[in-house]
Amino acid sequence: DIVMTQSPTSMSISVGDRVTMNCKASQNVGSNVDWYQQKTGQSPKLLIYKASNRYTGVPDRFTGSGSGTDFTFTISNMQAEDLVVYYCMKSNSYPNTFGGGTKLELK
Amino acid sequence: EVQLQQSGPELQRPGASVKLSCKASGYPFTEYYMYWVKQRPKQGLELIGRIDPEDGSTDYVEKFKNKATLTADTSSNTAYMQLSSLTSEDTATYFCARRVAAFAYWGQGALVTVSS
Repeated sequence: DIVMTQSPTSMSISVGDRVTMNCKASQNVGSNVDWYQQKTGQSPKLLIYKASNRYTGVPDRFTGSGSGTDFTFTISNMQAEDLVVYYCMKSNSYPNTFGGGTKLELK
Repeated sequence: EVQLQQSGPELQRPGASVKLSCKASGYPFTEYYMYWVKQRPKQGLELIGRIDPEDGSTDYVEKFKNKATLTADTSSNTAYMQLSSLTSEDTATYFCARRVAAFAYWGQGALVTVSS
């Protein structure tokens, strides 16, 4: 199975910062990576699909990019409610595999 | 509106089995796979497997093949996951989810606690 390695595992962030996190696939997955946000006690929420497509209703401060094996997720102008956990996921074929997550914390 | 409504929290003894449900509404149940995802406390997300409600065919991630059994009832638009021979390693929140281009729809999660 393809392994998705997310980095960093955590980041200390200030409100208003620009934040970038990465996801590396162990094999070429094309543009088939999604990004999810998970708040404590809630189910994950889709933010970005197919590497760079913002899902319906997702604010434009969330962006994704990349292809092949290297992917990036960026939050511009961090808001307090964004200080939660983010996961990448390989989506092009079964089994879908998740990255280990990146937790954003207040500096 | 697509909704996935999961059953409530469970407290089970080691060695027991538990059956979780995920009732789907707002879309044709048989036209989409239902996926199940595990999340241990303060840990990441793991895919368990999926079921095609149309014909009941299933795919499991290898490590869950002897742990989880997925079924679906098309008369009630409900997907089920049975977990057997529970151990402390099975203490987790379990989510059902449905794909469109991605996992756009998730149940609220069901916490299973295994404790003597």
